[in-house]
Amino acid sequence: DAKTTQPNSMESNEEEPVHLPCNHSTISGTDYIHWYRQLPSQGPEYVIHGLTSNVNNRMASLAIAEDRKSSTLILHRATLRDAAVYYCILRDRVDSSYKLIFGSGTRLLVRP
Amino acid sequence: SQTIHQWPATLVQPVGSPLSLECTVEGTSNPNLYWYRQAAGRGLQLLFYSVGIGQISSEVPQNLSASRPQDRQFILSSKKLLLSDSGFYLCAWSKDRDSPLHFGNGTRLTVT
Repeated sequence: DAKTTQPNSMESNEEEPVHLPCNHSTISGTDYIHWYRQLPSQGPEYVIHGLTSNVNNRMASLAIAEDRKSSTLILHRATLRDAAVYYCILRDRVDSSYKLIFGSGTRLLVRP
Repeated sequence: SQTIHQWPATLVQPVGSPLSLECTVEGTSNPNLYWYRQAAGRGLQLLFYSVGIGQISSEVPQNLSASRPQDRQFILSSKKLLLSDSGFYLCAWSKDRDSPLHFGNGTRLTVT
C-alpha cells in the first residue's frame, strides 16, 4: 500500500482556518485520497475524499496538488469539536476489498 | 438509511476466556465488512475484512478469528484471550469503492 506522511500534531485557534498537510509521493494513478478523523473514544468518521480535483463538502475542503503527491485538508473555521486525530489515507480504487490502512495521523489541538 | 450495530460497548474478560463480538449492518445488502483494533494510545490496525458471506481475509496473524455467517453479520472471536488482546475493537462497512467506511461505536475490551 502506498504510504502517507503527516505531522504528528498541529495546533490552531478556535474560529481560525486550519490546513492539515499530507504527503503521498508514491501515490498511484488508481489511489483515492481519503480523510477521516477520530474523536476521543469514538470510531473514525469520514471527512472527505478526492481523486484529482479539489473537493468541498459541509465539513471541509480537500486541495490536491497537481502532481497528486500531496494534499491538504482545510477546515475553514476550527471549533473545539474539531479537536481530533486526522488521518490521510490512500485507497486503491481497483482493490475490491475497499479497505483502509490507517497511519498515525495528525492530532489537532484547538485552543479556545 | 444504513446503520451499524456493535455490541457490547465494554467488556472485561479474564485471560484464557473465550470472546465473541458481534456486528450487524442494516439498510444495505452485500456490504464489505471490516474489523479493526486500536490498542491504547496507538493507531488503528486492520484485523479482518470480508467481501461476502463466508469470505474472510486476515491482515495480521493473531489470536483472533472472524466469521460472516450472514450477509450483514460479522463476528470476531477468540478461543483463549491474551492480555495483548486488550483494546478498542471497531467494526465497519463499505458499499463500494466510491463510498466511505462507516464505523460502529466500538467495543472496549480489557483482558485481566
